[in-house]
Amino acid sequence: DAGVTQSPTHLIKTRGQQVTLRCSPKSGHDTVSWYQQALGQGPQFIFQYYEEEERQRGNFPDRFSGHQFPNYSSELNVNALLLGDSALYLCASSLVREGVTGELFFGEGSRLTVL
Amino acid sequence: AQSVTQLGSHVSVSEGALVLLRCNYSSSVPPYLFWYVQYPNQGLQLLLKYTSAATLVKGINGFEAEFKKSETSFHLTKPSAHMSDAAEYFCAVSLWGAGSYQLTFGKGTKLSVIP
Repeated sequence: DAGVTQSPTHLIKTRGQQVTLRCSPKSGHDTVSWYQQALGQGPQFIFQYYEEEERQRGNFPDRFSGHQFPNYSSELNVNALLLGDSALYLCASSLVREGVTGELFFGEGSRLTVL
Repeated sequence: AQSVTQLGSHVSVSEGALVLLRCNYSSSVPPYLFWYVQYPNQGLQLLLKYTSAATLVKGINGFEAEFKKSETSFHLTKPSAHMSDAAEYFCAVSLWGAGSYQLTFGKGTKLSVIP
């Protein structure tokens, strides 16, 4: 049973560019959440997708956008990259029916470096 | 707003010694609390969770945590540290909103185990 997979694992961009990160959830999961983890910090919630809609959003600017596809996979897009966007981007999947106590399964992340 | 605070960004213990990682929460409603572990260059893995069923929660790898409402704490312990326990540990609280939930993480505690 494949867990959460993310691609690419590492990437380098320059300021002002755009990036797309991809995530395939754990088999059977219907909800995908994205987190940003800056160096030395805990993960910060970006947004969550369920039924192809953004359900919740953290305190991130509109430069951060996402999408969920019918097969439950998801993309995170970041436009007009800033140096401060350099971080590990984590995707997590879960089952909406498990509610607030459900477990999030995390991928290994995509490490973005902005030069 | 609900939040968690982890005391001590770095904890060092000798192999075989007690591990104690501290987490205090702030919540106006009964919280759902989690401990996750992150090994180098990996995603997060759930250690254990408190869902109000029992105040003493046992998790994987010999870890346990006790929910103490009077102290607003959810400290993580392990009787005897092993070299393989060296990792970063995150306490998190589950927040409900807009028909779904998200995790708010603490800043993490890096555990070093000295042989």
